Amino acid sequence: AQTVTQSQPEMSVQEAETVTLSCTYDTSESNYYLFWYKQPPSRQMILVIRQEAYKQQNATENRFSVNFQKAAKSFSLKISDSQLGDTAMYFCAFMKTWAGSYQLTFGKGTKLSVIP
Amino acid sequence: GAGVSQSPSNKVTEKGKDVELRCDPISGHTALYWYRQSLGQGLEFLIYFQGNSAPDKSGLPSDRFSAERTGGSVSTLTIQRTQQEDSAVYLCASSSRDSLNTEAFFGQGTRLTVV
Repeated sequence: AQTVTQSQPEMSVQEAETVTLSCTYDTSESNYYLFWYKQPPSRQMILVIRQEAYKQQNATENRFSVNFQKAAKSFSLKISDSQLGDTAMYFCAFMKTWAGSYQLTFGKGTKLSVIP
Repeated sequence: GAGVSQSPSNKVTEKGKDVELRCDPISGHTALYWYRQSLGQGLEFLIYFQGNSAPDKSGLPSDRFSAERTGGSVSTLTIQRTQQEDSAVYLCASSSRDSLNTEAFFGQGTRLTVV
C-alpha cells in the first residue's frame, strides 16, 4: 500500500516570504501522479499543483512550485511571495495508476498560517 | 453539473440512527472517491469506485459503512446505527481516467454530527 507522510503538522510564514512544505511517499510503482491540494477554512479542496512521475521537470504554477526527487520519493511544495489567502491546510496526495486503478492517498496535512 | 455536488451539507442525527449521504460526481467522471475527515485531521480513505469494476472497499472502518454507485454516476454512502465517533466531514471526489486530467475534484462535503 502507498503511504504519504507530511512531517510538518503546522507552519507559519511572514507575508511576502517563501515557505516550503515537505512530503515524502512510499511506493514500489514507477508510474504515478503527485498532487498538492489546499483546503481553506471554507472546506473546499482545491488543486494547487500536479506532477507526473515520468516527467523530470518540476511543475510550476505561478507562485507555487515543487521539488520532485523521484529517487528520494520526495515531493515538496514551495510557495513564493506568500499571501494571506494562502492560509489553509495543505495536503500532499499520491495517485497510483496501474491495472486500471487510480487510487488516491493523502497525507495528514500541514496547517499553514501566513502572518501579516 | 459543473462540479461535484454533495447533499446534505450538514446532517445531525441521533446515535443509533441510519444516515445516507449523497454524492453527484462530475458528468463523465468514471472514478469516485469517498473520504472521511475528522476535525482538523487528514483525509481518511473510505471507498473508491472505478467504472464498472468492483469497488475498493478497503478503507471502510466497519460493516456499518456501505456505499453504492448507481449507473456509474450518483453514489450513496450509508452509515447504519451511527455512533458518536462517526461525527466528521465526509468528502466525495471524482476524476477522469484521462491521463492528462487525473485531478480529483471535490465536493463541499457533508458535515455529520451524531448526538
